Amino acid sequence: DIQMTQSPSSLSASVGDRVTITCRSSQNINRNVNWYQQRPGKAPKILINTASDLEPGVPSRISGSGSGTEFTLTITSLQPEDSATYYCQQSYIVPLTFGGGTKVEIK
Amino acid sequence: EAQLVESGGALVKPGGSLRLSCTASGFTFSSEWMNWVRQTPGKGLEWVGRIWSINDGGTAEYGAPVNGRFTISRDDSENTVTLDMNSLKIEDTAIYYCVTDLKIGAGSDFDLWGRGTLVTVSS
Repeated sequence: DIQMTQSPSSLSASVGDRVTITCRSSQNINRNVNWYQQRPGKAPKILINTASDLEPGVPSRISGSGSGTEFTLTITSLQPEDSATYYCQQSYIVPLTFGGGTKVEIK
Repeated sequence: EAQLVESGGALVKPGGSLRLSCTASGFTFSSEWMNWVRQTPGKGLEWVGRIWSINDGGTAEYGAPVNGRFTISRDDSENTVTLDMNSLKIEDTAIYYCVTDLKIGAGSDFDLWGRGTLVTVSS
């Protein structure tokens, strides 16, 4: 199975800060990575597909990059509504696997 | 509006069985590959399995922790996908989400999620 390792597991940042979350896969998965945001008590919501394609309705301050085994999710100018847990997921091969999550807290 | 609604979550004893259902609306259900993803309380996400569209062969695939114990089936006439869970273990306790990718093609970009249904396995 492909392991997806996210870092950090949590972070605290101020409104307006730039935040970067990293996801590493245990083998080359090209650009087959998605990113999700999950707020407490809610189902995850997809933000980015195929490493860097922004889903409709997702604000442009959120972006993704990477290929191969290393991927990043970046939030420029962090907003209060960005307080959530973020997950990466590989869509390259079954079993589909998720990273452990990164909890983003607003200071 | 596309929607998925899960039902069937309950408290069940270890070794017991349970059936979860997911009813779809607002999109062409028969064209979509349907997935189940679970989330243990306070923890992360785990893919349980999926069933292909009948047109693509209707094959069901499973993650290792549930393979041989869980069965996914679909009824396109009722727009439902079912997860039959047998030999339940305490570690199967989780919120179970019905999930799909509505984009063209059999992808795994999960852009539609249900609200989830809670399964608790405890004596």
